[in-house]
Amino acid sequence: SQQGEEDPQALSIQEGENATMNCSYKTSINNLQWYRQNSGRGLVHLILIRSNEREKHSGRLRVTLDTSKKSSSLLITASRAADTASYFCATVSMDSSYKLIFGSGTRLLVRP
Amino acid sequence: SAVISQKPSRDICQRGTSLTIQCQVDSQVTMMFWYRQQPGQSLTLIATANQGSEATYESGFVIDKFPISRPNLTFSTLTVSNMSPEDSSIYLCRARGQMEQYFGPGTRLTVT
Repeated sequence: SQQGEEDPQALSIQEGENATMNCSYKTSINNLQWYRQNSGRGLVHLILIRSNEREKHSGRLRVTLDTSKKSSSLLITASRAADTASYFCATVSMDSSYKLIFGSGTRLLVRP
Repeated sequence: SAVISQKPSRDICQRGTSLTIQCQVDSQVTMMFWYRQQPGQSLTLIATANQGSEATYESGFVIDKFPISRPNLTFSTLTVSNMSPEDSSIYLCRARGQMEQYFGPGTRLTVT
C-alpha cells in the first residue's frame, strides 16, 4: 500500500468475541482514521484519532495510537455478524496536502 | 452534511476505449481527490484534483493515462484512457471541506 500495512490480513471470529486489528504507517501524521467497507459498497467513517491523542472510544470501538511506533489498533468488542466487513486505517500527513492514505486493510468475518 | 455523487455508477467498457467519471458535490469544497480500488485491494490515491490547474499525481500514476479536470469548487472528472482489463476497479472521489470530508459512492468499471 502507499502508506503501510495492516494485520492480520484476514480475521475470523465467533460472534461475541473481540476483534483486534493493527495498522502501521510510515510518515508523521496529523491524524489517523478507521473506515469500514462492506463487500462491494461504499466507505463508512468509523473514528478519527489525532496525533496528540493516545486512545479514543466510540460505542463498541476502541482505537489506540502510538506515534513513536507509528502504529494504531482498532478493537471491536462483543462483535456481531453485522460487523463482517473490511476495515481500513488511513492517515493524514503533517503537511498541508490533506491527502488521506490508506493501509492494506483487514477482512473481518464474524461467524454467527 | 454535503451530498457527493458520481456518474456513472458502473460501466462495462472495451479495451482501448476511454471513460470519463464525474464527481459532483452539492456544496463548495476546498479539495478533491481520486482513488482507485482494485478487486480485493485497498484504496490507492491517484491524484489531487486542483481547481483551475493541473492535478497532482501520486507515484505510479500519470496524466496521459488518468487526465483529471476540476473546473470549479464542486465538480471534478477523472478519465481512464486507453483502458485495459487491469484498469477494472472501483474509482472513488473524495471531497474535503473546511472541517468535513466525504467519499463518493464509487464507479465500478469493468474492462473487457
